[in-house]
Amino acid sequence: DQQVKQNSPSLSVQEGRISILNCDYTNSMFDYFLWYKKYPAEGPTFLISISSIKDKNEDGRFTVFLNKSAKHLSLHIVPSQPGDSAVYFCAASASTGNQFYFGTGTSLTVIP
Amino acid sequence: DTAVSQTPKYLVTQMGNDKSIKCEQNLGHDTMYWYKQDSKKFLKIMFSYNNKELIINETVPNRFSPKSPDKAHLNLHINSLELGDSAVYFCASSRRQGRGEAFFGQGTRLTVV
Repeated sequence: DQQVKQNSPSLSVQEGRISILNCDYTNSMFDYFLWYKKYPAEGPTFLISISSIKDKNEDGRFTVFLNKSAKHLSLHIVPSQPGDSAVYFCAASASTGNQFYFGTGTSLTVIP
Repeated sequence: DTAVSQTPKYLVTQMGNDKSIKCEQNLGHDTMYWYKQDSKKFLKIMFSYNNKELIINETVPNRFSPKSPDKAHLNLHINSLELGDSAVYFCASSRRQGRGEAFFGQGTRLTVV
């Protein structure tokens, strides 16, 4: 049973516009959330994280928003750049747990 | 200097063979993981070790056996390989179990023919 879901397999955005990637989770015990970026033939690389005590975390062009009541988080990239084209994975973990749960990823294409 | 390195990157082998994938991290992390990415691109946990101790052993055939000689290494041995084992296997590490950021290796694409 998948506890972290990314319902959009792909997303295309024009360069300079905003990219919004969405993620939903089902386990209310999750209290730490991460976004990873993955290029082909490489491992996922950490992008940004957020703790459940916050509803927003920003790092340069990347902002993650957390809506605990909706069990939903999103990653905003603005402005989008062609180098942002990659697969983005959402992940979650619980303080009582011992692993990271991943979504199936969203493939982002930024069109020059 | 690579933080998490796994070898080989590509592995093509015949059914029935036994193979190993090696993983090393130089981050001083206590926890290491093996994830499998299947054809649907889903990253699923296989094993987790904390300070050389097995913490998670998900429903994985016992043909898969992890070995952690020290907390910087977590190798994956696979016996009697089957076609369905074809996937990308990722090693990862984190400072603590399921906390902080996990660092991933480059992945090993295993193809069983």
